Amino acid sequence: EAQVTQNPRYLITVTGKKLTVTCSQNMNHEYMSWYRQDPGLGLRQIYYSMNVEVTDKGDVPEGYKVSRKEKRNFPLILESPSPNQTSLYFCASSAGSVRSPLHFGNGTRLTVT
Amino acid sequence: QQQVKQSPQSLIVQKGGISIINCAYENTAFDYFPWYQQFPGKGPALLIAIRPDVSEKKEGRFTISFNKSAKQFSLHIMDSQPGDSATYFCAASAAYSGAGSYQLTFGKGTKLSVIP
Repeated sequence: EAQVTQNPRYLITVTGKKLTVTCSQNMNHEYMSWYRQDPGLGLRQIYYSMNVEVTDKGDVPEGYKVSRKEKRNFPLILESPSPNQTSLYFCASSAGSVRSPLHFGNGTRLTVT
Repeated sequence: QQQVKQSPQSLIVQKGGISIINCAYENTAFDYFPWYQQFPGKGPALLIAIRPDVSEKKEGRFTISFNKSAKQFSLHIMDSQPGDSATYFCAASAAYSGAGSYQLTFGKGTKLSVIP
């Protein structure tokens, strides 16, 4: 089954404790992206990757890091999480760009206390 | 910052009625306008998309209307059903140059409830 898998689904952590949210897709997609979803703000792009070793900032990259060492994986790293990063995070992938259908994971709900 | 303004924030429609969600944009470089549908506990999924060379696109009960001069586009759901209850996001992407085609700007979403 074609899918984007995020782990974990739920994560509660404390301020400053480094964490990684994993994202993996099995569709051989070149494009991958991370979004955060907040009430009243919709979906905002954090980082995206056009291919292996090629990444770029989205609209809200501060406090986040990403890497794309393999085509299928695109982890999101929060090196020093803060409470304002409490949010619902989505990973997405597509065959080429955002002009192809984006396939989203089921989300990771992160709470930073 | 590029913006897509979406309204209303929430919408309640009776079964069989027409649901209408509107979006407006400022950036004239936008040339790809998708709508995504999100059910609770799930990620968004592409519903329908339009490019500005057409004024309307229909897929089943879902229609996008596009007004290039007004820089507005809307989603119409005909014969709305309870199963259509979800959050709908409009979005836009700029012309295929540089980073434009790799960034999708979303509206803030509309929570649609279709009541029996």
